[in-house]
Amino acid sequence: SAVISQKPSRDICQRGTSLTIQCQVDSQVTMMFWYRQQPGQSLTLIATANQGSEATYESGFVIDKFPISRPNLTFSTLTVSNMSPEDSSIYLCSGDRANTEAFFGQGTRLTVV
Amino acid sequence: AQSVSQHNHHVILSEAASLELGCNYSYGGTVNLFWYVQYPGQHLQLLLKYFSGDPLVKGIKGFEAEFIKSKFSFNLRKPSVQWSDTAEYFCAVNNWNTGFQKLVFGTGTRLLVSP
Repeated sequence: SAVISQKPSRDICQRGTSLTIQCQVDSQVTMMFWYRQQPGQSLTLIATANQGSEATYESGFVIDKFPISRPNLTFSTLTVSNMSPEDSSIYLCSGDRANTEAFFGQGTRLTVV
Repeated sequence: AQSVSQHNHHVILSEAASLELGCNYSYGGTVNLFWYVQYPGQHLQLLLKYFSGDPLVKGIKGFEAEFIKSKFSFNLRKPSVQWSDTAEYFCAVNNWNTGFQKLVFGTGTRLLVSP
């Protein structure tokens, strides 16, 4: 199985600012994904991070709010832009190798005040 | 759209009790099914998965799940829980129509096992 390191593990941010979350995988993965888990809710897929091209966003999520980069097969970033308290959530990245199973980072617990 | 329902949000059991966590999904086509566990302070880990074949799937740590296609269910079971099973459990589904792994998760079930 792959090991995914995600940082920061938690942060408290002022509204209107932006936070970039980093995700590093210890080996190459085919796909990388970003999820959000709002309080009391299930994990929701934000987007698929595509290597060398623009991410593919799910309905309700847009690039201006959640820009994503994936410069290589083992690294991706998610930025939460112009934050508001509604963005307070846990953000998780995951990797998938050859469409078998997904591996997850520990998540970033974001609080916007 | 696909959805996944987990019936129990919180479950409290004593050690040695039997466990069954319900999971139902809405998608009618071919699906792959997963149970993930998140222990306190740790990342999501795969407990077990079903892709095809025997509908009774064995996972790690004595867990098993049964895929019942007619009921759109994939319930998780363990005959005798331990204190160390205290965690949050997530059922997830994907399908291969999209061509890659996009998981739809249930809301999760928090299990507390008292010693």
